[in-house]
Amino acid sequence: SQQGEEDPQALSIQEGENATMNCSYKTSINNLQWYRQNSGRGLVHLILIRSNEREKHSGRLRVTLDTSKKSSSLLITASRAADTASYFCATDSWGYSGAGSYQLTFGKGTKLSVIP
Amino acid sequence: SQTIHQWPATLVQPVGSPLSLECTVEGTSNPNLYWYRQAAGRGLQLLFYSVGIGQISSEVPQNLSASRPQDRQFILSSKKLLLSDSGFYLCAWSVQGAYEQYFGPGTRLTVT
Repeated sequence: SQQGEEDPQALSIQEGENATMNCSYKTSINNLQWYRQNSGRGLVHLILIRSNEREKHSGRLRVTLDTSKKSSSLLITASRAADTASYFCATDSWGYSGAGSYQLTFGKGTKLSVIP
Repeated sequence: SQTIHQWPATLVQPVGSPLSLECTVEGTSNPNLYWYRQAAGRGLQLLFYSVGIGQISSEVPQNLSASRPQDRQFILSSKKLLLSDSGFYLCAWSVQGAYEQYFGPGTRLTVT
């Protein structure tokens, strides 16, 4: 079943503007991750935020987490044409008792287009 | 550094034909391995995961199967492909006990 749901489904902005994408989820999580996928390629891990964290930064990325609202946001500042990609949030659930395997549930993603 | 390979990159197969997709990881030992399928414009659906050689867990009942004959090799198979098996197949790995997953470049499968 789908755990994370990204919003909006698509976003188009001008280069230099900020891009904000949101993710909502339904059940308790240990942490939430954001991934990027360029067209026709594999996913790339961007950032992980733990359930006891409220905000995390990595370069031009800023992620917030509100566990009371079961939501997260990804902000990309000063966007570049190279940021054009789909962005997915992923939440975890413990998958295999006794072994360290976390199953991730991905949303459908936000397709970001940055216009030069 | 760790790298993950998938092949083939693209594949066109007729309905009813067999399938074998391969994934290998380099530069790490005893990884968790995962197979996902991504339909056009959709999120990722977890198909199988493995925590060790010969240990496979299936998430979705289907005509696909997975095997892990070696520590860093993960194979996705089918005896008879269906049209609905078309999609983008992604292999991923993670360190035991870690949350982050690292993805391969994917295989685009078209069943005709």
